Amino acid sequence: DAGITQSPRHKVTETGTPVTLRCHQTENHRYMYWYRQDPGHGLRLIHYSYGVKDTDKGEVSDGYSVSRSKTEDFLLTLESATSSQTSVYFCAISVRGGQETQYFGPGTRLLVL
Amino acid sequence: GENVEQHPSTLSVQEGDSAVIKCTYSDSASNYFPWYKQELGKRPQLIIDIRSNVGEKKDQRIAVTLNKTAKHFSLHITETQPEDSAVYFCAAAINTGTASKLTFGTGTRLQVTL
Repeated sequence: DAGITQSPRHKVTETGTPVTLRCHQTENHRYMYWYRQDPGHGLRLIHYSYGVKDTDKGEVSDGYSVSRSKTEDFLLTLESATSSQTSVYFCAISVRGGQETQYFGPGTRLLVL
Repeated sequence: GENVEQHPSTLSVQEGDSAVIKCTYSDSASNYFPWYKQELGKRPQLIIDIRSNVGEKKDQRIAVTLNKTAKHFSLHITETQPEDSAVYFCAAAINTGTASKLTFGTGTRLQVTL
């Protein structure tokens, strides 16, 4: 499991409310990623981090922000949740960030009503 | 940006037969190609990967081939078993200089029937 946990695992929220998802890893990996998974779209990269306080956008970053204040935690925030953000969110880590395997966390299922 | 197309979207084979899933990518700078298996309600799990300096790689019943000129790569599963039933995703990675960004295909649902 590469020591990755995500919390919460399930969440139901209402449109317009802020939501923060947490990814926690125990092995001091430098690179962390947030993906969303939707039917017909596979997994799409939202944001990624290549170190503490170092983050960059992925292909579907609109409406999302991230923060990484310490190596082990990578937070994904939906500032004002919309129904289109209903999805399964996966965190991933890689050891070196180059041609290296990405290992996924267990996922968070988010429903925005 | 990178675009990865994956075919077929669904595949049904009989136990013991072979299964082939094909992917194409658009960016010639892509240099790493992993394949993930995802069972229902679970996380994607890496099953095999190939780097751009290699044309073929095997791991027991699973093999991946890469044709850089044509920009396509394929997953081959031989002697399929019921436990191979899952959704399979291909991906292509580009190194941005700060990290490696994966672009995924849309997935292939493989069903192995008895």
